[in-house]
Amino acid sequence: RKEVEQDPGPFNVPEGATVAFNCTYSNSASQSFFWYRQDCRKEPKLLMSVYSSGNEDGRFTAQLNRASQYISLLIRDSKLSDSATYLCAVTRGYSTLTFGKGTMLLVSP
Amino acid sequence: GAVVSQHPSRVICKSGTSVKIECRSLDFQATTMFWYRQFPKQSLMLMATSNEGSKATYEQGVEKDKFLINHASLTLSTLTVTSAHPEDSSFYICSASPGTSPSGELFFGEGSRLTVL
Repeated sequence: RKEVEQDPGPFNVPEGATVAFNCTYSNSASQSFFWYRQDCRKEPKLLMSVYSSGNEDGRFTAQLNRASQYISLLIRDSKLSDSATYLCAVTRGYSTLTFGKGTMLLVSP
Repeated sequence: GAVVSQHPSRVICKSGTSVKIECRSLDFQATTMFWYRQFPKQSLMLMATSNEGSKATYEQGVEKDKFLINHASLTLSTLTVTSAHPEDSSFYICSASPGTSPSGELFFGEGSRLTVL
């Protein structure tokens, strides 16, 4: 089993739709969890950290399920500008991140 | 937020030559920096952990004699791809953490796209 797994997509959604991604991780000792956004041929940029209690930032909501070892990202009211690849990342040591392959999101007019 | 700068952003070289990529933390000191590589449509794969003043720690399968890492100061790490070949063509990205982030959040450089002809 891979350390971090994601559905590569692409997820094709119309503007205004709600879309959710999941990411599973294999190391139960993982401590920190993140969602990064990566635009084509660019470096990843942190979208949000994921906390046990869940967290929300505007249209984005991230949740962590330690029992089932997955994290999720929910995007509400999708915008064209949300089109990107979303990478989940899990720490296996302080600041040593392991990334999933990413889930591609395409938002269409 | 913290800033990490990488140079060059793009490099094209002939097979057999060596290429050096620099990674700088601009507004914080980084005892540790990380080098990742990303092939098209693939995940970022950690290549090595660069430690200031000591040897880098390489991930399994990464040739330390081919990918030379030097972390001579708290703000600069360099990755040298020696005797580059076309299969080394990839997107190389460095990252660092200010250390003040409680969760170890990483900041990434802009990446260096290497094309070996």
